[in-house]
Amino acid sequence: GENVEQHPSTLSVQEGDSAVIKCTYSDSASNYFPWYKQELGKGPQLIIDIRSNVGEKKDQRIAVTLNKTAKHFSLHITETQPEDSAVYFCAASIQTGANNLFFGTGTRLTVIP
Amino acid sequence: DSGVTQTPKHLITATGQRVTLRCSPRSGDLSVYWYQQSLDQGLQFLIQYYNGEERAKGNILERFSAQQFPDLHSELNLSSLELGDSALYFCASSAPPTTDTQYFGPGTRLTVL
Repeated sequence: GENVEQHPSTLSVQEGDSAVIKCTYSDSASNYFPWYKQELGKGPQLIIDIRSNVGEKKDQRIAVTLNKTAKHFSLHITETQPEDSAVYFCAASIQTGANNLFFGTGTRLTVIP
Repeated sequence: DSGVTQTPKHLITATGQRVTLRCSPRSGDLSVYWYQQSLDQGLQFLIQYYNGEERAKGNILERFSAQQFPDLHSELNLSSLELGDSALYFCASSAPPTTDTQYFGPGTRLTVL
């Protein structure tokens, strides 16, 4: 099955700096890559996603890049704010009916005011 | 608020017991997914239902079962509980074929004593 690796496991940045989280996947058939943010005591919240026919997608301060050849994708958060502090998960899936997600192990992001 | 509801929020029970977790998907979503989040295993896919039918199975134990009812709500049944079953259980829903984006509920925290 699919194996998703995520790095780093923890990340601390100063407010206003950028944060980058990287993930790799193993199954070349994977074609959908969402990113979720999980705050303490809450369920994962989708923040951005990208499909394999696109190399980059941006939504305000958040961007995701995908390199299909290398099988890796990254989350970029610019101008970080304290409310960005949370655990971020990358995931991959094969969108062919059974669209279950395979998750990375998570990155705990701390934004220092 | 994702629109996915889960009850109960917390559940404390003893080893050997059986519990039922309930999930109501977002209005109009036909697919329901169950995931388990534990400290050592991360977020893992358990099972998916689509419009009442089982669509995909992940690493779900034989002691666990699920179903989706005609009104599209779903229940996850966990029996012969063990200490290692203590975890957060999340339900997610999506609305294929219009979208495969999965929206997660707030989760049920299960503690087995």
